[in-house]
Amino acid sequence: QSVLTQPPSASGTPGQRVTISCSGGSSSFETKSLYWYQHLPGTAPKLLIYSNNQRPSGVPDRFSGSKSGTSASLAITGLRSEDEADYYCATWDDSLSEGVFGGGTKLTVL
Amino acid sequence: QVQLQESGPGLVKPSETLSLTCTVSGDWGSVGHGSYYWSWIRQPPGKGLEWIGQIYHGGTTKYKPALKRRVTMSVNPSKNQFSLKMTSVTAADTAVYYCARVFYDVLTGRGGWVHFDYWGPGMLVTVSS
Repeated sequence: QSVLTQPPSASGTPGQRVTISCSGGSSSFETKSLYWYQHLPGTAPKLLIYSNNQRPSGVPDRFSGSKSGTSASLAITGLRSEDEADYYCATWDDSLSEGVFGGGTKLTVL
Repeated sequence: QVQLQESGPGLVKPSETLSLTCTVSGDWGSVGHGSYYWSWIRQPPGKGLEWIGQIYHGGTTKYKPALKRRVTMSVNPSKNQFSLKMTSVTAADTAVYYCARVFYDVLTGRGGWVHFDYWGPGMLVTVSS
């Protein structure tokens, strides 16, 4: 059981806006940066969002991140079929002294 | 661009030692660069990502506490490689193992311990007799 909680699945139709939540139970969650990774099966995970809401170069602005208190979310607008993937949130947990990932959310584009 | 590539045996017997190497190449791909750490992450079949640990070019390490007794990481700047050894493996250690670069400039605070900006393609390691 991860210290970061994500819904196991999410879905949307092309063009829609979807959000994926990530909640944390430790005090580290509120003070540490949150990251989001996109993982297509058979490929390497890709950094999507860093420092809660920053996009690396090359990541479309359809992807955005936010964080407040003990919860965070990843929003995807203008949903596309190629967005179908697993999405993971991640942070550093000071109390555990380790990096932690959420359990992952499988996004299906209907 | 930076490229990472995992290598090592894809099949390990129970109770033996898993050994993997990650070779780093490309511009800004030096394991000796001061702003980067080097990490191992795994994904068991049907499960999520799990952080194993990381190493700095000077040898400083951080390991997942639950794996600490069995894990050793090392770095070889002359070959631009870093490695993972995990002892006494069981079927629960069967996973796709990824190596990744961690961007964290401790002096400026840019980046973070889970800021994995480049990843290897991953390598399946199966623990079975």
